[in-house]
Amino acid sequence: GQNIDQPTEMTATEGAIVQINCTYQTSGFNGLFWYQQHAGEAPTFLSYNVLDGLEEKGRFSSFLSRSKGYSYLLLKELQMKDSASYLCAVRDSNYQLIWGAGTKLIIKP
Amino acid sequence: GAVVSQHPSWVICKSGTSVKIECRSLDFQATTMFWYRQFPKQSLMLMATSNEGSKATYEQGVEKDKFLINHASLTLSTLTVTSAHPEDSSFYICSASEGQEYNEQFFGPGTRLTVL
Repeated sequence: GQNIDQPTEMTATEGAIVQINCTYQTSGFNGLFWYQQHAGEAPTFLSYNVLDGLEEKGRFSSFLSRSKGYSYLLLKELQMKDSASYLCAVRDSNYQLIWGAGTKLIIKP
Repeated sequence: GAVVSQHPSWVICKSGTSVKIECRSLDFQATTMFWYRQFPKQSLMLMATSNEGSKATYEQGVEKDKFLINHASLTLSTLTVTSAHPEDSSFYICSASEGQEYNEQFFGPGTRLTVL
């Protein structure tokens, strides 16, 4: 079956760095997405990786290793507004998005 | 950027009534639209995928006769929850993409449905 694993919840301190991991087992691979979702709101797109390596976008970076079925989202200089759920999603060989359950990130002052 | 709107943003209805939710792509043609449901503290659950002009493809366990999807144009898809019951209360989110080899889905703001 298809499976995406990410931690349920993480806590970090304002100004610090946090890494949210995502491992996946899917039938085929056509890209990995990270989305941010604040409570009661729809997800917003953060990043897309299809090749191995690191994609940097401001305070957020996303890494992919296709051979290991692994990705992480790195958030630097954490701000209180970064408190949200972070969803990892993989597009399989049929171009279907397989969603992880999300990681709830709690930022403390 | 690509914008997707949903209407209404929230709705309260009585049990047994039907509710229609609209999803519109405002500045691009959405070849494919997706409907998701999200219960509190849970991840997105894909309900169905619809392509313009064809029947929607429903995920396993989603009743096609209860959740009617119409994707009549490249900018509009509707989800009708028929004979709604309290257990249908949820956050319904649509998303849209411009083609199969898209790089992201653009999400609407969601519709919160409460069935009394």
